[in-house]
Amino acid sequence: QQQVKQSPQSLIVQKGGISIINCAYENTAFDYFPWYQQFPGKGPALLIAIRPDVSEKKEGRFTISFNKSAKQFSLHIMDSQPGDSATYFCAASKYQGGKLIFGQGTELSVKP
Amino acid sequence: DVKVTQSSRYLVKRTGEKVFLECVQDMDHENMFWYRQDPGLGLRLIYFSYDVKMKEKGDIPEGYSVSREKKERFSLILESASTNQTSMYLCASSLGDGSSYEQYFGPGTRLTVT
Repeated sequence: QQQVKQSPQSLIVQKGGISIINCAYENTAFDYFPWYQQFPGKGPALLIAIRPDVSEKKEGRFTISFNKSAKQFSLHIMDSQPGDSATYFCAASKYQGGKLIFGQGTELSVKP
Repeated sequence: DVKVTQSSRYLVKRTGEKVFLECVQDMDHENMFWYRQDPGLGLRLIYFSYDVKMKEKGDIPEGYSVSREKKERFSLILESASTNQTSMYLCASSLGDGSSYEQYFGPGTRLTVT
């Protein structure tokens, strides 16, 4: 049973556009929601994360929006650049340092 | 910088062979994890360890075992490799002291079982 569902599976965006990736979760005990970015040939790396006590977190061009009542969260990449082309994974965890449940991944391609 | 290294980037094994995947982290992290990554399925947790000699099953432990004799080293063992274990295997570590959830990943081992 997939506890974190991610969409879309792939996304093509023009340079300068906004990339939006969505995730939905089932377990209301989750209390940590990170996004990981993975470039080809590399392991995933933490991009940005949010706790459920806030509805939005912004770091540079990257923003997480969190909707606790809908059990959904999303990643917005503003002014998308070709260097943002990568695979993005959302995840959720329900206790400190605990195991992460990952979404299926989104392959983002930003066209110049 | 945290560094997680995996013993091989690419590995080709035959069906029925015993396979060892090694992972070493250099930041004295308590927690270590093994995932497999398959297209359309994301990362799925195989096993994890919160301490030396302690291990817990993840979501897909069947056909795998692990060993953690030293804090910095976490090994994944495929007892009898099968073709459905062809995948990308990722090792990760995290602090475990409650101050950070972040997991640091190695570059992965792409295993092909023929």
